[in-house]
Amino acid sequence: DAGVTQSPTHLIKTRGQHVTLRCSPISGHKSVSWYQQVLGQGPQFIFQYYEKEERGRGNFPDRFSARQFPNYSSELNVNALLLGDSALYLCASSWSSKDQPQHFGDGTRLSIL
Amino acid sequence: AQTVTQSQPEMSVQEAETVTLSCTYDTSESNYYLFWYKQPPSRQMILVIRQEAYKQQNATENRFSVNFQKAAKSFSLKISDSQLGDTAMYFCAFMKYNQGGKLIFGQGTELSVKP
Repeated sequence: DAGVTQSPTHLIKTRGQHVTLRCSPISGHKSVSWYQQVLGQGPQFIFQYYEKEERGRGNFPDRFSARQFPNYSSELNVNALLLGDSALYLCASSWSSKDQPQHFGDGTRLSIL
Repeated sequence: AQTVTQSQPEMSVQEAETVTLSCTYDTSESNYYLFWYKQPPSRQMILVIRQEAYKQQNATENRFSVNFQKAAKSFSLKISDSQLGDTAMYFCAFMKYNQGGKLIFGQGTELSVKP
């Protein structure tokens, strides 16, 4: 079975642009979470979605948004990109909103010029 | 708010020896989970071991074991018979009970296993 898949692998954008990152969970997993990992730090929680509803939100500005589709895949959108948004964005999935542990994808490396 | 602290930014160990990584956390919750994740240069976060706070017995997974001290809010990871493939960043993480999907991570410890 395929693990959590994220696309693209690497992305380069300029300040002020918009970006969309995509995540496909493990088959059967209904919960998807997004994390931001700045170089040299631990991941920071951004969002959790379960059954297409937002179940949790971290301390991130409104420029960050996400959604989950009927097939449980998810998109993370970031508007008005800042240099500080440069990071590895990790997606994790689990079977339910309360289940654990989470299974992580390889991440999307976002670089802002 | 919960916090997780890893006070050792870098550690090194000789192959086949034992190493212990430290983690402390702060919470007012009584039920929660603690995890150690490994992140090799390939970037994927891999679960190493988990501990339920209500269990007094320390978790073990092959060469990996933890020392969970609930009163002291300490959660260290011991790696026995270290192997070159253990070289990676190690993150300690906290999750409130019934709040799956929201992990709180420490800053990480970079472990190098030397031949």
